[in-house]
Order: sequence, then C-alpha cells, then structure tokens
Amino acid sequence: TQLLEQSPQFLSIQEGENLTVYCNSSSVFSSLQWYRQEPGEGPVLLVTVVTGGEVKKLKRLTFQFGDARKDSSLHITAAQPGDTGLYLCAGRFIIQGAQKLVFGQGTRLTINP
Amino acid sequence: DVKVTQSSRYLVKRTGEKVFLECVQDMDHENMFWYRQDPGLGLRLIYFSYDVKMKEKGDIPEGYSVSREKKERFSLILESASTNQTSMYLCASSLLQGLIAYEQYFGPGTRLTVT
Repeated sequence: TQLLEQSPQFLSIQEGENLTVYCNSSSVFSSLQWYRQEPGEGPVLLVTVVTGGEVKKLKRLTFQFGDARKDSSLHITAAQPGDTGLYLCAGRFIIQGAQKLVFGQGTRLTINP
Repeated sequence: DVKVTQSSRYLVKRTGEKVFLECVQDMDHENMFWYRQDPGLGLRLIYFSYDVKMKEKGDIPEGYSVSREKKERFSLILESASTNQTSMYLCASSLLQGLIAYEQYFGPGTRLTVT
C-alpha cells in the first residue's frame, strides 16, 4: 500500500487551461515537498511546505498544504507546454521513531500547444 | 552551481554480472541516497548514507549493496544483476537532516537494462 497517493497519475490538457494535482495520505506529514522531473533528468525541488494550511506561490504554480497536514495540492494556472513533466510529491513522516521521506507515484503532465 | 553526477546515463548488462553505479556530489553534503524509479511506483529508496563508511538500508535493499569511502562518492553495487533490476537509478544528496526538510539534489539518472 502506498503511503502517499497522487492523483491523477496522467493528465493531458491544452495550453491555457488550469489544473490541480493532489497528494494524499492517511498519515500526518511533518513536511511535504513537490518536485518536477523532466525527461532525462533527475527531480528538481519546487517547494517545501511545513505548516498546516500553508499556501506558497511560484509564478503560475500554487501549492497548498492541508490544515491537518495529511494532504497537499498543486494548482497550475494557464498551463504552458514548458510545464510538461512528471510532478512528484514527497512527504516526510515519522515511522517507528525515524524520519522517512516517502515519494508519491507521480503525476505525468502533458500540456499540448 | 550544485551538481550530482552519475557515471553512466545508459547501461546494458547481462544477468549475473556485477554492476557498479557511481555517484559524485560537489556540495559537501553529508547525506547521499540511491533510489530506483519505476513507472507507477514513484521513487523507492534502496540505501542511504549519512556519513563516510556509514550506510542504512532503505525500503528495497535486497540484491543491492553500497559503498561510501569518501564523502563525495556513493556507489551502488548489484552483486549479480537480474532482469527485475532493470530500472532507472537515481542518486541524490542533501545536507544532514534533522527536523528540517532539506532539499534533495538529484543526479540525471542511470537507465540500467539487464538482459
């Protein structure tokens, strides 16, 4: 069973549309990160959220951390072809007294011109 | 500019061969990690190291070993490669983590095919 569930797994939309990607868990995160990975490259950090209810903006990307720190969302406004990539959430949990970083399965986003 | 480099982008090996994947970081980071990435499964942690000569098992260590003789270098070893180890392998490094979620810096990945 995945500790972190991302949805949708695949999303293909037209340039200019808005979209939201979700990252959910039944456990509380101590923090959550979003990464983007382009073909042939490793993931690159976009944002870290730490406080429940926190909202961070990165140009057209808005990241929200749920009040209970069990979920997060990434909203992209007016998507552009350059937003195409694999978006990964990574939650930090306390498991058996140790901190672990757990990645979701990823959302593969395609923006069509 | 921070950098994590991996020795090969693509590698093809035969079943039973011993495989070495090398990773070097130039950021003086204490932590280094090896993940494998498979479609629909995300990134799964194989091993990590928080100091020279120290190593800890991740979630899927079976069939793998690691070596960290120098701070900047972390090697992943497949003692006897099998076809189910065909995957993308990603190396990452970060500052020593406490309660703060430090950024992990990733290399470009090695796509390993075992035939």
